[in-house]
Amino acid sequence: GQNIDQPTEMTATEGAIVQINCTYQTSGFNGLFWYQQHAGEAPTFLSYNVLDGLEEKGRFSSFLSRSKGYSYLLLKELQMKDSASYLCAVPGGGNKLTFGTGTQLKVEL
Amino acid sequence: DAGVIQSPRHEVTEMGQEVTLRCKPISGHDYLFWYRQTMMRGLELLIYFNNNVPIDDSGMPEDRFSAKMPNASFSTLKIQPSEPRDSAVYFCASSLTSRLVADEQYFGPGTRLTVT
Repeated sequence: GQNIDQPTEMTATEGAIVQINCTYQTSGFNGLFWYQQHAGEAPTFLSYNVLDGLEEKGRFSSFLSRSKGYSYLLLKELQMKDSASYLCAVPGGGNKLTFGTGTQLKVEL
Repeated sequence: DAGVIQSPRHEVTEMGQEVTLRCKPISGHDYLFWYRQTMMRGLELLIYFNNNVPIDDSGMPEDRFSAKMPNASFSTLKIQPSEPRDSAVYFCASSLTSRLVADEQYFGPGTRLTVT
């Protein structure tokens, strides 16, 4: 099965950089996803990592270390609209995903 | 594309009543997923279909829950009889097989179910 661990909540300042960590244990690794979910809305896809290293996409970057069972999402130049829950998820075979409980990020002035 | 469509967006019902949630996936997608989200348990996969066939229903909590996908453009999740602990947001998601390992899922807006 899969086991995913993320911090419950984080607070950061507008314009700053924040790193949201995710550790996982899975039998058979098929990559790791990050999703963003604003309050009252549906999760939306942010990134997918299957190889080790950093993948950059605008203000958001995602890092993966398969040997350590570890990933992080890096958000730069934080904006108020980045306040949301960030969920990491691992595939469990057959395209199904197991989601972590999410990290609630609050961006303050 | 209109994205994943779910109805109703909100449902309030009394304990013991039957509830039917509906989902239209993105056209051409071959996977459809039903999730339930609560504060206590987060986002849980209930069941998923591939090419209209149920593949894994191990997340369905009890026999009170059932799901069908009669064709590629429609799926239902039914709860009968409903109980207050079923109160949650139910999401439908779809994906298209494009990678060898896993594909991103596109979520509908969700149905907020309240059972009193």
